Parts: sequence; structure tokens; C-alpha cells
Amino acid sequence: QVQMQQSGPGLVKPSQTLSLTCAISGDSVSSNSAAWNWIRQSPSRGLEWLGRTYYRSKWYNDYAVSVKSRITVNPDTSKNQFSLQLNSVTPEDTAVYYCARAVAGKDGFDIWGQGTMVSVSS
Amino acid sequence: DIQMTQSPSSLSASVGDRVTITCRASQGISNYLAWYQQKPGKVPKLLIYAASTLESGVPSRFSGSGSGTDFTLTISSLQPEDVATYYCQKYNSAPYTFGQGTKLEIK
Repeated sequence: QVQMQQSGPGLVKPSQTLSLTCAISGDSVSSNSAAWNWIRQSPSRGLEWLGRTYYRSKWYNDYAVSVKSRITVNPDTSKNQFSLQLNSVTPEDTAVYYCARAVAGKDGFDIWGQGTMVSVSS
Repeated sequence: DIQMTQSPSSLSASVGDRVTITCRASQGISNYLAWYQQKPGKVPKLLIYAASTLESGVPSRFSGSGSGTDFTLTISSLQPEDVATYYCQKYNSAPYTFGQGTKLEIK
């Protein structure tokens, strides 16, 4: 079955870059029928979709306006994974970060990573 | 951006009760709506997509309805294991906004 395994640091200093990776098994990051998403959850902001990458003959990205100037979501086809980079973090970026899959024809997030608690603190 | 508003924010009901949670979109989203269940300390789980299609493996006591701006999630007979927070989410177009959640407890 499809699984998504997240990795990355749990503590990031203010103004630095938050970097997380989501490794996919049982599906392909290059699938023409899936999209690969990052979502975060905090008590103050609830569940917040951040961005996605997907392949439809070429690579596309969509990002939330709230983080658009600071976020990059990239696929890594050689490792069948995708990544999140969030620049210039502040304590407001402290949250549990999830990766998740959406499949065409269903489009809800049906497979989720285990979540990574990321704290932004000096 | 389209806002998603859930009501109530919390509710308490007895085992066996019929429970309804409402989600309203600030603009029409056709049937591009999903419902999730999140138990304490766990990852959100997809329950329903396309407003009314039950995800595989989800108990049939869960159902969804609605189209346009108004949607409902119904649990026909509440069970103790249904204690969780429930979220709606729209996916007609980015951004894929979630509702603020409805916390469901057993009386």
C-alpha cells in the first residue's frame, strides 16, 4: 500500500530555512494522476494547506498566498520523494507539518505522512 | 479566497445519537468537498470526498451531503470511537482551505 515517510529537523532558528522531505512508497512522485502536498497544523491557524507539486507531462506547483514568497516544493524523481523549503521562518511557523497525497478523481488527501513537529526558536 | 465555516465548533452527544455537522463555503464549490476525522494525537483521516462519496473502509454510519455552498456530515448512530475533531476541506481550486474543525465528544 502507499506510504509516505517524513524526515527533517524538529527545531529551526528564526530567520533560517525549514526543510522537510517526504519519501513515497507504493506510488510515484511522477504519477500523472496524483498531487503531492504539504499541510501544517497549529492551535492558532488550524489545518493550513501550504503547497503542492504534481506532474502532468511537465511539473507544476501551487502555493498558498500566505507563504508564497517563502515556500518551495520540489520533486526528487531519483529518490521518489518531494520536499518542502520554507524560508525566513518565525515562531508563527511553529506547527506540525504533514505531507499528503491527493489522487485525481478523489482529490481529498487520502494518504498522509506521520507528521513532523517543527518548532521555531532560538 | 473562499472561506470554509463549520458549525458547531464543538458538540456533545450520547452513544447512539444522530449527529450532524455543517460546513458552509463563502462561494459555491460544486461538490468539491472532503471531510476528515482527526483523533487526538493522530493524523487526519479522509472520510468522505466529492461531498458524499465514502472513502474505502469508512463505516457506513458516516454520510455526507450538499452541493454549492452548504454541506453536512452525518453520523447516523454515534459510537464511542467517533470521538474526534472533524474538518471539512474544499478542493475545487487552490488554496485547499480547511474549516476550523468541530470537536465531538460523548456525553
